[in-house]
Amino acid sequence: DVKVTQSSRYLVKRTGEKVFLECVQDMDHENMFWYRQDPGLGLRLIYFSYDVKMKEKGDIPEGYSVSREKKERFSLILESASTNQTSMYLCASHEGTPYSNQPQHFGDGTRLSIL
Amino acid sequence: TQLLEQSPQFLSIQEGENLTVYCNSSSVFSSLQWYRQEPGEGPVLLVTVVTGGEVKKLKRLTFQFGDARKDSSLHITAAQPGDTGLYLCAGVRAGNMLTFGGGTRLMVKP
Repeated sequence: DVKVTQSSRYLVKRTGEKVFLECVQDMDHENMFWYRQDPGLGLRLIYFSYDVKMKEKGDIPEGYSVSREKKERFSLILESASTNQTSMYLCASHEGTPYSNQPQHFGDGTRLSIL
Repeated sequence: TQLLEQSPQFLSIQEGENLTVYCNSSSVFSSLQWYRQEPGEGPVLLVTVVTGGEVKKLKRLTFQFGDARKDSSLHITAAQPGDTGLYLCAGVRAGNMLTFGGGTRLMVKP
């Protein structure tokens, strides 16, 4: 079974802090994704990565950056946290074959509160 | 940006009732996936529909992909309390990216 592990289940930070959310997958997947989930809005894609050191903006990248130094690890960075970034953050991985229709495998999420 | 409209947003029903969740878009997707999410966990894939008009069944759950590959539905027959959860449709686009609908929160009361 694919295991996607997010480092924290709950996180409380203050406005202006630099925040790191970590995600590790154990299946040697090529693709990794970061989403935020808000009630009624579903999941919205922040950033994704097709390979080590590669990153692409998703639909809502403003205020975020990412890092992928190793294949198994994908980090989401909030450069200067703001209250409107309070949300549930979900990391996912995918094997990477285009149009394979394989699932994205999700971590259990990090609930981040910015005070 | 491709959008997926999912309805209803909330559904509270009694055990044994039937229900249908709808997922609509003005855009064509190569395929569409349905996920289910339980509290405190990430979404888990239920099914992928690929061909226009395709129907897939998973026990009491029936998934249909519209002929034009722009819409999909999930029908649950004789709902059980164990069906309670958040149901998400997601259109598959280039690069294995997903566009998610807003979700349907289903509660099935015993």
